[in-house]
Amino acid sequence: GAVVSQHPSRVICKSGTSVKIECRSLDFQATTMFWYRQFPKQSLMLMATSNEGSKATYEQGVEKDKFLINHASLTLSTLTVTSAHPEDSSFYICSASPEAFFGQGTRLTVV
Amino acid sequence: SQQGEEDPQALSIQEGENATMNCSYKTSINNLQWYRQNSGRGLVHLILIRSNEREKHSGRLRVTLDTSKKSSSLLITASRAADTASYFCATDHYGNNRLAFGKGNQVVVIP
Repeated sequence: GAVVSQHPSRVICKSGTSVKIECRSLDFQATTMFWYRQFPKQSLMLMATSNEGSKATYEQGVEKDKFLINHASLTLSTLTVTSAHPEDSSFYICSASPEAFFGQGTRLTVV
Repeated sequence: SQQGEEDPQALSIQEGENATMNCSYKTSINNLQWYRQNSGRGLVHLILIRSNEREKHSGRLRVTLDTSKKSSSLLITASRAADTASYFCATDHYGNNRLAFGKGNQVVVIP
């Protein structure tokens, strides 16, 4: 079946640095990818919709300058957390359309 | 507003018993999906039920959908210790896999 690969699975970074998370569709073309965030013991919240070849659509309350999304090809979307702070520590997970296949998620810890 | 808002529950049952969890939502949907998440890990897609379907089965899973009440239920029969996880429902309003997740149910199956 279709697979979405997300990398890295776990990352620790220092406050003020930027972190890039990749989401790849391995055997299908994904014109649309979605990025979600999940805080400990909470549900998943949609952050943004990533569209190939166009700007991402961000949900209300999500800072587009802080969470940069690039969807440069039909198989790759990246989420860059810029100038990360401890409150950005979370579980980030992507999914790819047409099927709602999810990546394995990335646990980001900012120290 | 958050779609797919099941009552956040912590359900503890004995192995072999059935586990039932509910999900309610507020606006019309194209489909509703159930996911499982083991602690701190990615999502496993369990079942998708479309708005014109009332019941669906997959192995030991049974999902119902009542669009008049805007609610769904997930039944896990003959539970096993390996079923211990968090279970989330997610609604898809337009059929484009842009999902709104509920709060989740923590299920613990005691061997």
